[in-house]
Amino acid sequence: GAVVSQHPSRVICKSGTSVKIECRSLDFQATTMFWYRQFPKQSLMLMATSNEGSKATYEQGVEKDKFLINHASLTLSTLTVTSAHPEDSSFYICSARQTTYSNQPQHFGDGTRLSIL
Amino acid sequence: GEDVEQSLFLSVREGDSSVINCTYTDSSSTYLYWYKQEPGAGLQLLTYIFSNMDMKQDQRLTVLLNKKDKHLSLRIADTQTGDSAIYFCAESIGGNTPLVFGKGTRLSVIA
Repeated sequence: GAVVSQHPSRVICKSGTSVKIECRSLDFQATTMFWYRQFPKQSLMLMATSNEGSKATYEQGVEKDKFLINHASLTLSTLTVTSAHPEDSSFYICSARQTTYSNQPQHFGDGTRLSIL
Repeated sequence: GEDVEQSLFLSVREGDSSVINCTYTDSSSTYLYWYKQEPGAGLQLLTYIFSNMDMKQDQRLTVLLNKKDKHLSLRIADTQTGDSAIYFCAESIGGNTPLVFGKGTRLSVIA
């Protein structure tokens, strides 16, 4: 079945560091990928929709200059948390859907746990 | 607006059936999903159903959809300790639209 790979799985870094998270669709093409954020014991909050070859669409309240999204190919989207601070610590998850067929479900990566010291 | 509601907790004994319920508000929802999340992990797609279906069965999992009442349920037969996790209900109107998630139901299986 469709597989979405997310890397790295865990990041611990100092405040002020920029962190890049990759989301890859391994065996299918995805013109659209989604980035979610999940706080402990809460549901997923959609941050942005990543569109291949064009600008990402951000949800209200999500700073586009803080969370840079690049979707340069049909199999890769990246989320860069710029100048990360402790309040950015969270679990970030991406998802992708096979573009070729209209009725395919979204598949999720294993998530990236970001801890900012 | 879109809203998906789930009960937060469910506790069952090993070997019993579990039924997790979900209600949604968007009548144009085309796809309804159940995802499983184990501690520290991402979301695993369990099953999904199209709005033109009433039921879908896959091994121990049975999904029932009552489109009139906008009610979705997931039944897990012969629940095992390995089924302990958080189960998210989600809906979408299809295409490249994002999913709308419920808050998740934490299933605890007692041995």
